[in-house]
Amino acid sequence: QVHLQESGPGLVKPSQTLSLTCTVSGDSITSGTYYWSWIRQPAGKGLEWIGRFYASGSTTYNPSLKSRVSISVDTSKNQFSLKLTSVTAADTALYYCARDIGTKRAWFDPWGQGTLVTVSS
Amino acid sequence: QSVLTQPPSLSAAPGQRVTISCSGSSSDVGNNFVFWYQQLPGRAPRLLIYDNSKRPSGIPDRFSGSKSGRSATLGITGLQTGDEADYYCGTWDDRLNAVVFGGGTRLTVL
Repeated sequence: QVHLQESGPGLVKPSQTLSLTCTVSGDSITSGTYYWSWIRQPAGKGLEWIGRFYASGSTTYNPSLKSRVSISVDTSKNQFSLKLTSVTAADTALYYCARDIGTKRAWFDPWGQGTLVTVSS
Repeated sequence: QSVLTQPPSLSAAPGQRVTISCSGSSSDVGNNFVFWYQQLPGRAPRLLIYDNSKRPSGIPDRFSGSKSGRSATLGITGLQTGDEADYYCGTWDDRLNAVVFGGGTRLTVL
């Protein structure tokens, strides 16, 4: 059974960089079968797709965040990471990682439990 | 403001049937598969419907999906109190080259 777990600081200061890691068990992120995505949800609001990573090294980002976001992978630990630069209060959200079928689909299964990141001084 | 439009809230009685709409444009819903997610209170979203109308294993057949043109619909029959949740539609947007979601519909089972 595939399991994803997010981890990282719960508090980030404005203008700094948000860094989160997703640890995957039960599947290899480099197998090339799936993509791997980050999705966020501000409190009381809807879902926003941040971007996805594929085993080939290719990445696709939401245009609204593209200038500030990067997704990378640590194959030795079967982890993929999110970096979001120059954060503001608007980046405060619950951040989820999810397995993604990629292509032109919005198929995410399963999801991690999510990790709350607050941007505040 | 979400790319896809959903009613913010709906309510229905146990045992009844409810439908949740998701409308978009020719560059998203009109040209790509639609997916539905259920988010129970305090939980991560769960894939409910994929490719417009298919159910992953473990999802009861009380849940159904359909799509026509630029709109999609999630149907739930035999409502149970455990169905109280937020429901989101999602799809690919060819213009944005990104995944987009609806704003979500909060379903209350009275």
